[in-house]
Amino acid sequence: DTGVSQDPRHKITKRGQNVTFRCDPISEHNRLYWYRQTLGQGPEFLTYFQNEAQLEKSRLLSDRFSAERPKGSFSTLEIQRTEQGDSAMYLCASSPVLTGELFFGEGSRLTVL
Amino acid sequence: AQKITQTQPGMFVQEKEAVTLDCTYDTSDPSYGLFWYKQPSSGEMIFLIYQGSYDQQNATEGRYSLNFQKARKSANLVISASQLGDSAMYFCAMRDDKETSGSRLTFGEGTQLTVNP
Repeated sequence: DTGVSQDPRHKITKRGQNVTFRCDPISEHNRLYWYRQTLGQGPEFLTYFQNEAQLEKSRLLSDRFSAERPKGSFSTLEIQRTEQGDSAMYLCASSPVLTGELFFGEGSRLTVL
Repeated sequence: AQKITQTQPGMFVQEKEAVTLDCTYDTSDPSYGLFWYKQPSSGEMIFLIYQGSYDQQNATEGRYSLNFQKARKSANLVISASQLGDSAMYFCAMRDDKETSGSRLTFGEGTQLTVNP
């Protein structure tokens, strides 16, 4: 399968713990995006990378959130000291620069108890 | 700032009938793109159709067509001949085509479509 893959698909954690999500984009795509989706809402933009450079971060991305894309391939999204309000689906998407069409992964669902 | 409004939280349609899902948008940018995505219960966002702000004709992709009315700032999705597998959440989204925006999308709140047999 050559689509966007995310791991883990589900994560249950206790408040205060750190969690990390991984995203493997479609291999020839330069751009990688992270979105957050809470129940009953549309996805909200968090951050995006072009190759290894993080070019934009939303104000939604507090200091407890950090994203990396070393070597411009896979990306990780880490949440430190999780809070119950962090419970959401975290979606990763990638796109080629030319067309800009976003291809999404199946998401990583986080539940903070 | 860009905004997408989907005013129908839920819609019901009989199998084999057509259904229209509403989407209005607000932007001051002359160049933008409009998208529709389908999200089944599995969670994956599936791209359906795209319309550019300068496209003269309405986009079509199989059973999906986009009714683009630029003056009204609306981009409604029409699904013809509904199938049971069309039951899902549908999101309208807009892309700012400015160079600095990186093609990120702004999404509406979605419409839950249920197709009845």
